[in-house]
Order: sequence, then C-alpha cells, then structure tokens
Amino acid sequence: EDKVVQSPLSLVVHEGDTVTLNCSYEVTNFRSLLWYKQEKKAPTFLFMLTSSGIEKKSGRLSSILDKKELFSILNITATQTGDSAVYLCAPYGGATNKLIFGTGTLLAVQP
Amino acid sequence: NAGVTQTPKFQVLKTGQSMTLQCAQDMNHEYMSWYRQDPGMGLRLIHYSVGAGITDQGEVPNGYNVSRSTTEDFPLRLLSAAPSQTSVYFCASSLTYPSGASNQPQHFGDGTRLSIL
Repeated sequence: EDKVVQSPLSLVVHEGDTVTLNCSYEVTNFRSLLWYKQEKKAPTFLFMLTSSGIEKKSGRLSSILDKKELFSILNITATQTGDSAVYLCAPYGGATNKLIFGTGTLLAVQP
Repeated sequence: NAGVTQTPKFQVLKTGQSMTLQCAQDMNHEYMSWYRQDPGMGLRLIHYSVGAGITDQGEVPNGYNVSRSTTEDFPLRLLSAAPSQTSVYFCASSLTYPSGASNQPQHFGDGTRLSIL
C-alpha cells in the first residue's frame, strides 16, 4: 500500500528561525514529488522534484529529494509570520499514477 | 486570470438531498480533478478527467458522479448526501495529464466547505 508520512505533525517557531519539514514515502511507480503550501484556502504549488540530490530554491524556501532513502525535506530559513501554513507533500505515482498527499505539517511562526 | 473557480464556497445540506458543486477553469487545462480534505486524512482523489468526455474514478468515488462536457467545466454531483460526505472539496486542474518527469503541477480552487446534517 502506498504511504506518505510527514513529520513533524505541527511545529511552532519564532520569526527568524530555520525549519526543516520532512516527508518520507513508500510509493510504487514513483515519478516525482510535489510540495504545496496551504493557508486558509487552496493549496499553492511550491516545488516539483524529480531527481535525487538536486536542490530546488525559491527565495527562503528550498527542497531536496533522496530517491534512494525515499524522503524529501523542505527547508525554510529566516521564517516570517507569513510562512504560517500547512505544508503538504505529495509523491506522484502509485498503483493509479496519481498524486498521493500526506496529511501535512502545520507550521506556526510567532512574532 | 481567474484560474480555478469553485462555487459555492459554503453549503449546508440535509441527509438525502442532492446538489452539484461547480468547478470551472479558464486556463485551457486538459486535466481536472476533485479531492476531498478531511482532518487527519490529507487530500483524497474522488474523480478525475483527462479531457472533455473522459472521466475516471479516484480513490474515494462512492456517492459522487462527475461529467466533463466541456474543457472548462467539471461539476461534482452528490446524488443523495450523507453525513460522511461532510468535508472540504477542492477542484484542481493541470495543463496536461500527469506523466512523471513532465508532470505539470495542479492548480487548486479555493474549496467548497460542505456540511451534511
């Protein structure tokens, strides 16, 4: 059975801290892994990772994939209150070739 | 550019009632999908469509119907609402059918919060 586990489930930090969010997966027919940020409404796309060891960066956010150890991490440096959200990890693949979403990590950044 | 538009934003139904959740996109995306999001469960795929006239079931299709008569619209129908269908429903679209390394990210609507009493 395909499985996606995100950790921690929730996290509270202060502005300026650096955080690392984890996503481990066991997905058959793995093709790629996506990260989304969800505030109050729609999940918004952050990164798509297809190759191991190649870091993707966007401002203070970065992410990397390890296809051998079956995990990905999302780093956020110099956190701001606007980073407060649920971060969703979604490998693409599985028996039905679809996105398989984790339950998310709830990040709260305090001023 | 409106992106993915879902209506209504909120709805309360009684058990046994039927309704249609609307989803429209103006990006000429071929692939559209419906998810439900429940606490502790993550987003789960209900139905999807790879183009006009083509639909297929996702992970949790029971109790829901879809159709795709145009590229732009992908309505989700609840034929006889049940309390277990209380959830937040998201519609999403992407340019092409997901295909691994060339996978296009899905863009989500703002969701419909549905309560069934």
